[in-house]
Amino acid sequence: AQSVAQPEDQVNVAEGNPLTVKCTYSVSGNPYLFWYVQYPNRGLQFLLKYITGDNLVKGSYGFEAEFNKSQTSFHLKKPSALVSDSALYFCAVRDGAAGNKLTFGGGTRVLVKP
Amino acid sequence: DVKVTQSSRYLVKRTGEKVFLECVQDMDHENMFWYRQDPGLGLRLIYFSYDVKMKEKGDIPEGYSVSREKKERFSLILESASTNQTSMYLCASTLVGTGGEQYFGPGTRLTVT
Repeated sequence: AQSVAQPEDQVNVAEGNPLTVKCTYSVSGNPYLFWYVQYPNRGLQFLLKYITGDNLVKGSYGFEAEFNKSQTSFHLKKPSALVSDSALYFCAVRDGAAGNKLTFGGGTRVLVKP
Repeated sequence: DVKVTQSSRYLVKRTGEKVFLECVQDMDHENMFWYRQDPGLGLRLIYFSYDVKMKEKGDIPEGYSVSREKKERFSLILESASTNQTSMYLCASTLVGTGGEQYFGPGTRLTVT
């Protein structure tokens, strides 16, 4: 079985400050990890993924994420947050050997204040 | 760009009605998925399809069925809508062998009264 935990329901950050959204996962095999963002009344947009290779993955809109195998984490980061980054963020995982089914975390709402 | 469209953005139905939610993707993706999204619960997989006429149950299939007669179209059916099926429904598709990122439609917010 695979699972994802996003321990924070909401993250508040001032514009210009670093932003971190936490994610931990559990899979039996090799993890494929994803981050998505959802703006109000919209579907999910793909931000970035980790499959293999460099532990630091860069994605859209200046976001990056770091894969840490020993801590089973895949935290999303942005060095300098913008008000327009305010949205709902989802982490997802799939077992690399078990088809394309994704398991999503419960989501973290990010509020960036001016 | 991949485009996934859903037939309605907002839908209001009465308890006991049969409800059809349609999803179409334009990129020849083999795999398609239906999720429901509820606050605090994230996205939960209802059904998915690996190819035409193939379907598999996800984590919460009870009260739902699906149909995939053509590769580009994946329909979610609520046989007899109930108030606990009030939710946001999201459709997604993915291409096999690309790493598995899914592309999502805009969602249908269904209210059952």
